[in-house]
Amino acid sequence: QQPVQSPQAVILREGEDAVINCSSSKALYSVHWYRQKHGEAPVFLMILLKGGEQKGHDKISASFNEKKQQSSLYLTASQLSYSGTYFCGTEQQDTDKLIFGTGTRLQVFP
Amino acid sequence: EAQVTQNPRYLITVTGKKLTVTCSQNMNHEYMSWYRQDPGLGLRQIYYSMNVEVTDKGDVPEGYKVSRKEKRNFPLILESPSPNQTSLYFCASRTAYEQYFGPGTRLTVT
Repeated sequence: QQPVQSPQAVILREGEDAVINCSSSKALYSVHWYRQKHGEAPVFLMILLKGGEQKGHDKISASFNEKKQQSSLYLTASQLSYSGTYFCGTEQQDTDKLIFGTGTRLQVFP
Repeated sequence: EAQVTQNPRYLITVTGKKLTVTCSQNMNHEYMSWYRQDPGLGLRQIYYSMNVEVTDKGDVPEGYKVSRKEKRNFPLILESPSPNQTSLYFCASRTAYEQYFGPGTRLTVT
């Protein structure tokens, strides 16, 4: 079942902050975050695992609430290069599938 | 350079004409997947493979076939394409933590 992302779109000025949320109705083993720029393939940002382990880029931060099956991606002091569509992907405990949400489009203006 | 390659990048075909999209990775990953991306629907998994000779259905497998005879290759086969399979297709391979996407294949079925 696809995770639900919110908001669907965000418009920011450079330097502003944003939070993108991802929630699932299923018990999760991990949450992945990817960014896709227009005309390009998605690129890995971060993975958050059940139990607290995280792996990803130093400048990206995220949280994973295991009880609520929710994750949030924090984009602080946004830059023009942050523009793109952000996808969360979730893995459940008992499957090998990585299922993506429908995406959050982020636009950063000067 | 570590990468996932797909061919062709663009393809226009007619209904019912069998086609194959090739996918190859040079990172020795065991896990490979195919996704389709449609506006508003995000990335939806078509098939995945945990290892050679092991494949399983994703969320939207109807009308597609795959094979995994070698670790590096994971071709996507459309035996009888239909217009509703017009989409952007991504192949991906992954480690336990990070998924790498190919550049995408834009398929149009008329």
